[in-house]
Amino acid sequence: DTAVSQTPKYLVTQMGNDKSIKCEQNLGHDTMYWYKQDSKKFLKIMFSYNNKELIINETVPNRFSPKSPDKAHLNLHINSLELGDSAVYFCASSTSRLAENIQYFGAGTRLSVL
Amino acid sequence: QKEVEQNSGPLSVPEGAIASLNCTYSDRGSQSFFWYRQYSGKSPELIMSIYSNGDKEDGRFTAQLNKASQYVSLLIRDSQPSDSATYLCAVLPPGFGNEKLTFGTGTRLTIIP
Repeated sequence: DTAVSQTPKYLVTQMGNDKSIKCEQNLGHDTMYWYKQDSKKFLKIMFSYNNKELIINETVPNRFSPKSPDKAHLNLHINSLELGDSAVYFCASSTSRLAENIQYFGAGTRLSVL
Repeated sequence: QKEVEQNSGPLSVPEGAIASLNCTYSDRGSQSFFWYRQYSGKSPELIMSIYSNGDKEDGRFTAQLNKASQYVSLLIRDSQPSDSATYLCAVLPPGFGNEKLTFGTGTRLTIIP
């Protein structure tokens, strides 16, 4: 069973459209994340949720709106897509019950805005 | 200054040799350090974590931490072609919970058969 799964794997869309990416984890973790990895492979945190509450919002445009319906899910909705939004978006999860922060990543969603 | 810095490479190492990857960080109070491996087109996967000064060994991998000098390194012994990947250094800065893992830009490693 896939521990952290995100859909879709590929997303090709036109500028100005609205799209969503879904993420689910079955590890029993209480913290979930969205990362953006650009063409230079730089992996940057966008959002972090702990027990469905937003705890990190890293100066991301408000066109990006995360939503966590429960601890196992963290979705990302993007309005009015722009060319610069093209990247790979990774979902990850971890547990806050341990001192270590080992994050487990999903397979990624490759977003191409045309 | 970037929070976590790595030489972007590419770093080319002959098969069977030792690959040495380095990382420096800016926040002196950082306590947790990680190495992730990312194959092309795949997601990052954790290969090593280290929390105390010194060396930590796991199979062919050794992580080294020097908090006084603010650097962490990863040694890969007996390098194999399957080790060819991008290696991401990640640091948990002080002042945050476990949420804000900060990644370096990664070092691309190529093992030459």
